[in-house]
Amino acid sequence: GAVVSQHPSWVICKSGTSVKIECRSLDFQATTMFWYRQFPKQSLMLMATSNEGSKATYEQGVEKDKFLINHASLTLSTLTVTSAHPEDSSFYICSARMGNWAGELFFGEGSRLTVL
Amino acid sequence: QQQVKQSPQSLIVQKGGISIINCAYENTAFDYFPWYQQFPGKGPALLIAIRPDVSEKKEGRFTISFNKSAKQFSLHIMDSQPGDSATYFCAASSSTPLVFGKGTRLSVIA
Repeated sequence: GAVVSQHPSWVICKSGTSVKIECRSLDFQATTMFWYRQFPKQSLMLMATSNEGSKATYEQGVEKDKFLINHASLTLSTLTVTSAHPEDSSFYICSARMGNWAGELFFGEGSRLTVL
Repeated sequence: QQQVKQSPQSLIVQKGGISIINCAYENTAFDYFPWYQQFPGKGPALLIAIRPDVSEKKEGRFTISFNKSAKQFSLHIMDSQPGDSATYFCAASSSTPLVFGKGTRLSVIA
């Protein structure tokens, strides 16, 4: 299957700092990428839909100024958690859609963020 | 309308047994139904998927059964192995992002 790479796989930061997470589609071009957040033992919660060359679409309740998403190329989307606080600690997972088919998504390995 | 209800929340199966996880949806516009497998600390991996024009799809030990009239679909894992122990998520979508079920934690014991 297609490969989606996420980096870093884990990061620890101090409260108030910003953290950037990268999501790359390695062997295909992804016009659309999705960012999810997952708390322990819970399901994936969609945060935002990222389209190459345009502004991301955020889900209700997700602060766009706190979670900055940039999709500058067909193979790279970034999520920046600004002014991170302990409650932002979570598992962040990106996914990329191959082609124009509505459904098939490939997920990255996830990034574990711990804010001290 | 956008919900996908998944059951059971957790499941314990003997090695060699059949694991069955069920999902139900409400939105009749959904036309893609994948199942994902997730191990701790890892991202979800696509296991198998089905579209509503077929009632069953089998890949190795994994089978999806789809009942369009009942708006239900299920995952069957035959000859379950300890290595199948993971969390399984059903999902559904049309032209919108995937909607996930809440997940089922499967434990296969020897």
